[in-house]
Amino acid sequence: QVQLQESGPGLVKPSETLSLTCTVSGVSVSTPIYRWAWMRQAPGRGLEWIGDSYYSGGTENNPSLRSRVTISLDKSKNQFSLKLTSVTSADTAVYFCARVSGDRVGPTDDWFDPWGQGTLVTVSS
Amino acid sequence: QSVLTQPPSVSAAPGQKVTISCSGSSSNVGDNYVSWYHQLPGTAPKLLIYQNNKRPSGIPDRFSGSKSGTSATLGITGLQTGDEADYHCGTWDTSLSAVVFGGGTRLTVL
Repeated sequence: QVQLQESGPGLVKPSETLSLTCTVSGVSVSTPIYRWAWMRQAPGRGLEWIGDSYYSGGTENNPSLRSRVTISLDKSKNQFSLKLTSVTSADTAVYFCARVSGDRVGPTDDWFDPWGQGTLVTVSS
Repeated sequence: QSVLTQPPSVSAAPGQKVTISCSGSSSNVGDNYVSWYHQLPGTAPKLLIYQNNKRPSGIPDRFSGSKSGTSATLGITGLQTGDEADYHCGTWDTSLSAVVFGGGTRLTVL
């Protein structure tokens, strides 16, 4: 059974860097057919894709966040991580990690399954 | 403002059928496959439908997906109180080079 679990600080000060880790069990993050994604959901809002990482380490990020986002894999620990720099109150949200299936060649057929339980990150001084 | 448009809420009685729409454009829904997720309050989203109309194992056939042009639809038959949740559609946007989601639809089973 594949499971994902987010971890990291629940409170980050404005202008600092948000750092989260997703620990994966039941499948290797090195498996070529999967990608590993971060999403977030601000209070009362819809889902927002942050970006995802291929097993090779290559990444695709949301253009609206691209310059602030780094997603990386740690194959030795079977984890992947998110760093979001220069945070503001607008970055307060529940952050989810998820496995991505499908591909982006031709008509893209991404789907996200399973998801981690999510972790609330509040940006406040 | 979400790229994909969903109704904020829908409701129906137990046992009835409901549909939830997801409207986009030629660069997202019209060009790529759509997936659907349901989310109980305070929990993570769970995959319901992928590749427009496929159900993962364990998802009952009461749930169905379809797509026509730049709109996708989630159908739920035989509504149960346990179906009360938020439902989200998602797809890739070729112009934005990003995954995009709808704003979510809150289903109430009266």
